[in-house]
Amino acid sequence: GAGVSQSPRYKVAKRGQDVALRCDPISGHVSLFWYQQALGQGPEFLTYFQNEAQLDKSGLPSDRFFAERPEGSVSTLKIQRTQQEDSAVYLCASSPKVDRAGETQYFGPGTRLLVL
Amino acid sequence: KQEVTQIPAALSVPEGENLVLNCSFTDSAIYNLQWFRQDPGKGLTSLLLIQSSQREQTSGRLNASLDKSSGRSTLYIAASQPGDSATYLCAVRRANTDKLIFGTGTRLQVFP
Repeated sequence: GAGVSQSPRYKVAKRGQDVALRCDPISGHVSLFWYQQALGQGPEFLTYFQNEAQLDKSGLPSDRFFAERPEGSVSTLKIQRTQQEDSAVYLCASSPKVDRAGETQYFGPGTRLLVL
Repeated sequence: KQEVTQIPAALSVPEGENLVLNCSFTDSAIYNLQWFRQDPGKGLTSLLLIQSSQREQTSGRLNASLDKSSGRSTLYIAASQPGDSATYLCAVRRANTDKLIFGTGTRLQVFP
């Protein structure tokens, strides 16, 4: 079956522009996660949804970052007034929420954002 | 605060060698530990998941162990091949949270 898909794959934005990144999780997956990966680093958690509810947004770096999942499926990560330090790969992951100990997260290919 | 460290940061070996990648974490209260593979420009592929009650998991030429009390995990790759070249990331899932906390990865190159 289809995996997690993300669009666009690449995005170049001028500093100050708003951007929207889309994630299509695996069908039926309850949990959805966003991570930010800077060059040469491991991914860092941004936010987590269970169905349409945003249960944890502790990793969002500022109030310029906003995420939503209104119907419990597709999710959008929006970054307002982009800054150069926002340049990174944004990864989306989903999981079926079977049980916490045995649960694997399935990752999409990421969106590479470059802010000039 | 949970911190995850991976050693070495980079590794270059000839084909056929057996390899050990190391991961350490500071807080032993975890649900599980996962090893991922990341190819350039690609997302993460889960290789092995070890639940906190388990000691090791095996898949083909890969074997991962977990010593929760000492905060350590190792990924053993037998008979390495050029196709194993990638960045290997370990991640822990802390108890009572849903997020993964990642190390910075080990960049592996296996040359023919």
